[in-house]
Amino acid sequence: KNQVEQSPQSLIILEGKNCTLQCNYTVSPFSNLRWYKQDTGRGPVSLTIMTFSENTKSNGRYTATLDADTKQSSLHITASQLSDSASYICVVSPNFDYGGSQGNLIFGKGTKLSVKP
Amino acid sequence: SQTIHQWPATLVQPVGSPLSLECTVEGTSNPNLYWYRQAAGRGLQLLFYSVGIGQISSEVPQNLSASRPQDRQFILSSKKLLLSDSGFYLCACLTGLPTDTQYFGPGTRLTVL
Repeated sequence: KNQVEQSPQSLIILEGKNCTLQCNYTVSPFSNLRWYKQDTGRGPVSLTIMTFSENTKSNGRYTATLDADTKQSSLHITASQLSDSASYICVVSPNFDYGGSQGNLIFGKGTKLSVKP
Repeated sequence: SQTIHQWPATLVQPVGSPLSLECTVEGTSNPNLYWYRQAAGRGLQLLFYSVGIGQISSEVPQNLSASRPQDRQFILSSKKLLLSDSGFYLCACLTGLPTDTQYFGPGTRLTVL
């Protein structure tokens, strides 16, 4: 069964600290993996997207890594800010029709990050 | 760049009443469109997707239906709401290559009482 598991479920850190969020997936065949940031009560916003051939992708203070062999991805946030408080969602596309256009994106339940001053 | 509009932003409806949520997309043509529901503390659940006008695929059996009367308009409906229909409803569109990213609307918070 195709699944995406994220950990931790929630995380509290102090402003300025770094943190790493984990995503493990059992999706096969694998096409691409995305990380989204979702502020409370808002729609998710894309942070990064990586194909199976990419190992890392950065977007400002966000760096995503991908190990297609172990089926693991991480999202590293550097020098956290209060505005980083949000849910971070890992999404995997299992098909090679690049983008899950047939509606088969698989979403993790997200990690809720709280950054405290 | 594409922009997704959803309305209303919040909605409180009694059980058994009808529902109509609208989603419109700007800045792209012939997009793939999606309706998701996000229950409290749970991940996003795909409800419907559409690859073109009049083409609707349903992912899970439910009390809801979807329609796509125009290329950039996607509507989520129900004839009689259930308590279990409460949730946060998100419309999304998928752009083509090279970015191939799914963009989400601001969402509609539905509470069924």
